[in-house]
Amino acid sequence: DAGITQSPRHKVTETGTPVTLRCHQTENHRYMYWYRQDPGHGLRLIHYSYGVKDTDKGEVSDGYSVSRSKTEDFLLTLESATSSQTSVYFCAISSSRDRNTEAFFGQGTRLTVV
Amino acid sequence: KNQVEQSPQSLIILEGKNCTLQCNYTVSPFSNLRWYKQDTGRGPVSLTIMTFSENTKSNGRYTATLDADTKQSSLHITASQLSDSASYICVVSELGGATNKLIFGTGTLLAVQP
Repeated sequence: DAGITQSPRHKVTETGTPVTLRCHQTENHRYMYWYRQDPGHGLRLIHYSYGVKDTDKGEVSDGYSVSRSKTEDFLLTLESATSSQTSVYFCAISSSRDRNTEAFFGQGTRLTVV
Repeated sequence: KNQVEQSPQSLIILEGKNCTLQCNYTVSPFSNLRWYKQDTGRGPVSLTIMTFSENTKSNGRYTATLDADTKQSSLHITASQLSDSASYICVVSELGGATNKLIFGTGTLLAVQP
């Protein structure tokens, strides 16, 4: 999986609690992304980063925040988890935004909010 | 609205047979089109990436075609194997912004039976 590690792989949490998911890469890629995957939807972008401390919102960013203090780590935080945030979360990395650049995905984190 | 539509939603074929999956998109401006394979419980893995000027690209038994005029793509799998059982996702990259935006289809779930 191209040197991408997501943690935890599975998590069950209660509504209203904060949750942080971690994405760690060993490829030294500049770009990192957080997606969520839900039945009936394609993967949807939550937030992305184009460098250390440089982040921006994706199409479904409400209720989520991110931080990137080091090239290798990209954290996704659910400030106050809701049942609608039950999903599978994928981290992805790429080395550039050039048109043929590969995007590599982690194995995913299955989050259940009860 | 930029969209990626895939058909069929699911498909069952016998081992050794060929199959073709379809993708229609309305994304503009277009950067490239990608096909990913996603095994159950894992992240997507890239099969092919095609730019506007490419009509065909192969990766082993996988052959992708692109008709940029009609905004259609297909993924042909030859001599299917049990390990081809997976979801196949068509992804179109929208040109522009701090990073090329990836728009995901919902996938075609392929089951290869012995």
